[in-house]
Amino acid sequence: EIVLTQSPGTLSLSRGERATLSCRASQSFSSTYLAWYQQKPGQAPRLLIYGASSRATGIPDRFSGSGSGTDFTLTISRLEPEDFAVYYCQHYGSSPLTFGGGTKVEIK
Amino acid sequence: QVQLQESGPGLVKPSETLSLICTVSGGSVNSGSSYWSWIRQPPGKGLEWIGYIYYSGSTNYNPSLKSRVTISLDTSKNQFSLKLNSVTAADTAVHYCARLTTMAGSWYLDLWGRGTLVTVSS
Repeated sequence: EIVLTQSPGTLSLSRGERATLSCRASQSFSSTYLAWYQQKPGQAPRLLIYGASSRATGIPDRFSGSGSGTDFTLTISRLEPEDFAVYYCQHYGSSPLTFGGGTKVEIK
Repeated sequence: QVQLQESGPGLVKPSETLSLICTVSGGSVNSGSSYWSWIRQPPGKGLEWIGYIYYSGSTNYNPSLKSRVTISLDTSKNQFSLKLNSVTAADTAVHYCARLTTMAGSWYLDLWGRGTLVTVSS
């Protein structure tokens, strides 16, 4: 099973700042298998990024993903008020499908 | 557009079976690129994948839950369902149904239901 570790647990930033979220895997895998989600309180997760760097339909270009091997990054270039939420990375290249523990991006 | 909606009891007694249904509207469960999935989230915690079913009827479950889980498909009703037996308080969670899509080698959950809270309590 591939374990995904996200850091930091909480990121306190101001509107307009850049957010850099990390997702580290317990073993290397193809970037094809990495996705990112955003979840706001009381809502279902929403797909942001798949294949490590491809934005899902309707996702603003301030969201970008990168990485390979065991280290992946989600970057939000300039935080907007609606971006304050919890973000999860997810792997599925081999069973089981796993999620990271999440990073909360909160208003400073 | 395709939408998913979970339904089922919000309260289940310990040792009994949790049963949920996901109704797919605006599309068909008989889609070759879609794997119909269940994910759960205990209150205040992270996401856990439960398993999925393909239109052919093949299934794949999380090993941590495999002994207690059954996911099935009803193509006539365009629904898929989750059964989790022998539940305990640790199974209290918001349960989401979702579509796992595969394209060009990538796998991602691109469509989610709104989720339904199931509480295990006597």
